[in-house]
Amino acid sequence: QQQVKQSPQSLIVQKGGISIINCAYENTAFDYFPWYQQFPGKGPALLIAIRPDVSEKKEGRFTISFNKSAKQFSLHIMDSQPGDSATYFCAATWDTGGFKTIFGAGTRLFVKA
Amino acid sequence: DTAVSQTPKYLVTQMGNDKSIKCEQNLGHDTMYWYKQDSKKFLKIMFSYNNKELIINETVPNRFSPKSPDKAHLNLHINSLELGDSAVYFCASSQDRLAQWGETQYFGPGTRLLVL
Repeated sequence: QQQVKQSPQSLIVQKGGISIINCAYENTAFDYFPWYQQFPGKGPALLIAIRPDVSEKKEGRFTISFNKSAKQFSLHIMDSQPGDSATYFCAATWDTGGFKTIFGAGTRLFVKA
Repeated sequence: DTAVSQTPKYLVTQMGNDKSIKCEQNLGHDTMYWYKQDSKKFLKIMFSYNNKELIINETVPNRFSPKSPDKAHLNLHINSLELGDSAVYFCASSQDRLAQWGETQYFGPGTRLLVL
């Protein structure tokens, strides 16, 4: 119940294409859904996040689509660039008396020039 | 100017040894965390401290002991290191302990631990 299932494990996209990463969850207590981007040798960094009362959030080329009834959310990267090549983690957070975040298994994105 | 810093960056040691990893944040945050990232990149929370108080303690072997001397520092001490402890350990911090909207965690660069 505390899992966040992420797919695909890896993704290869042509430059200019759309990258789509999907996540699903079970725990309805989750109340915040961030996406993190991690470059090799670095720590994860927050990319974009959404609350469950919003169906879509867009920031530049990055969009989160959220389907509360299906308990699914996805990250779309429009006009993918080689510089977007990284590992992307979806996550879910809830209040257990502390700020607890569960991460998906990660998606390694490679954007071909 | 680094927001969350960790030392050392790399740590290679023998099985059975005891080692410590240090973390410091200069963001003025109240909450700090330790995460473990395994070879498959899976990230899992280990501990969280809020103002030096332990608030999250996941199922982690008691060979792992966090210590927070003040709210800007959270160290991780590992006793009797085992092969399976090899991983990247990330420290992170956030302003508050609650999952409030807009809250985010800032991660350090990681400590790559290799146990031989």
